[in-house]
Amino acid sequence: EAGVVQSPRYKIIEKKQPVAFWCNPISGHNTLYWYRQNLGQGPELLIRYENEEAVDDSQLPKDRFSAERLKGVDSTLKIQPAELGDSAVYLCASSLGSGVADTQYFGPGTRLTVL
Amino acid sequence: KQEVTQIPAALSVPEGENLVLNCSFTDSAIYNLQWFRQDPGKGLTSLLLIQSSQREQTSGRLNASLDKSSGRSTLYIAASQPGDSATYLCAVRPAGGYNKLIFGAGTRLAVHP
Repeated sequence: EAGVVQSPRYKIIEKKQPVAFWCNPISGHNTLYWYRQNLGQGPELLIRYENEEAVDDSQLPKDRFSAERLKGVDSTLKIQPAELGDSAVYLCASSLGSGVADTQYFGPGTRLTVL
Repeated sequence: KQEVTQIPAALSVPEGENLVLNCSFTDSAIYNLQWFRQDPGKGLTSLLLIQSSQREQTSGRLNASLDKSSGRSTLYIAASQPGDSATYLCAVRPAGGYNKLIFGAGTRLAVHP
C-alpha cells in the first residue's frame, strides 16, 4: 500500500515569491493534516481537513497561507508571499477518520528554504 | 494549554548501551501518547502508541511506559545499534475533540560503533 506522497521534496525560493506544496494521502483516508516543523522543533498542526472541509485552521496564518482539498483527496498548501521565517519542513499526514483509534500516517515532507 | 517537553535534546552513546528517553506533558487529560522516529529527510514513523489506560507497550528492543497522573513517559531502547540513530519524538493526543497531536521537540540520538 502506498504511503502519503508529497512533492516537491525540496524547494528553495527567494522571499516574496509564491510556493505550493502538494500532498496525496493514503487511499481511503478521509482526514488530512498539514503540519509545519521548524528546525529543532516538533511538528505543529496548521490545518485539518475532513473530506473537503477544513475543520480546524486556527493555526494557519491566513494572511499568506491558503490550502485546498478538492474532491476530498489530494491537497495543496500555498504560501504567497513567502517570508524568511517560513523556512521549515511541511509535513502532510492522513488518517481514516478522526476517531480515537485513527492513526496518523506521515509523508516525507517538503523542506522549504526561503532566501 | 498542553505542552510537551523532551529531555535530553541530544544524546550520543556507544553501540550496545541501554538508554532512556524522557517525555513530559503538562495536562494529564490525554487519549494516548505516541513515540515517533524521524530520520533525516524522511517523515515520521510511529514506533509505539500507549492508550491512556495502559502502562506500557513493547516492540522488539523498544519499551515505552506511561504514567499519566504524573505526566511522564519514557522510551527505553535496549542494546542500542547505529541504525537507531535518529530523532525520537513524543506526541500526546489531548482528550476531547478530534485527532490532534501535540509534539515535543524531540531527542536527537546518535549511536556510534
